Amino acid sequence: GAGVSQSPSNKVTEKGKDVELRCDPISGHTALYWYRQSLGQGLEFLIYFQGNSAPDKSGLPSDRFSAERTGGSVSTLTIQRTQQEDSAVYLCASSHGTAGVTSYEQYFGPGTRLTVT
Amino acid sequence: QKEVEQDPGPLSVPEGAIVSLNCTYSNSAFQYFMWYRQYSRKGPELLMYTYSSGNKEDGRFTAQVDKSSKYISLFIRDSQPSDSATYLCAMSVWSGNTPLVFGKGTRLSVIA
Repeated sequence: GAGVSQSPSNKVTEKGKDVELRCDPISGHTALYWYRQSLGQGLEFLIYFQGNSAPDKSGLPSDRFSAERTGGSVSTLTIQRTQQEDSAVYLCASSHGTAGVTSYEQYFGPGTRLTVT
Repeated sequence: QKEVEQDPGPLSVPEGAIVSLNCTYSNSAFQYFMWYRQYSRKGPELLMYTYSSGNKEDGRFTAQVDKSSKYISLFIRDSQPSDSATYLCAMSVWSGNTPLVFGKGTRLSVIA
């Protein structure tokens, strides 16, 4: 079946502009995660959605970052007033979220490569 | 000090070699340990999943966890050029839906 998809695959933007990154999780997956992968930093957690619960925003690096998940499916990560240090690969993952250990496996999309010039 | 430390490499080995990849961690509450493989320009994919201490084997791959030393390892036997990728360790405190804490990843090249 279809995996996690993300768009755009690449985004180049000027410093100070806003960007929106989209994630389509696997159908039926209730949990959705955003991570950021920077050169030399590895994957860092940003935000997590579980069903209709309030999202866990504890990983967002600043108030310029926000995310929403509409209808429990598609999610959009928005970065306002982008800075050069925001350049990274933004990865989305989803998981099924029901009983059974293997159902918690996180399936990752291919990522959006963001370059801020 | 980051919660999870992993040598970024790069690591280059000849085809057929045994590869050893390692991570150390500082949070003794971690109980679930994973290894992800990431090919260039792709998202990570789960390779191995281990709960608590012990070994787990899957084909050419063996994952080891030593909680007393806060040290985890992934061994790849009879390495193949197709194993060339970045390997990331990840861990969590519980098995439910929870964000993972990742190492920086080790880039591996297996030379034919």
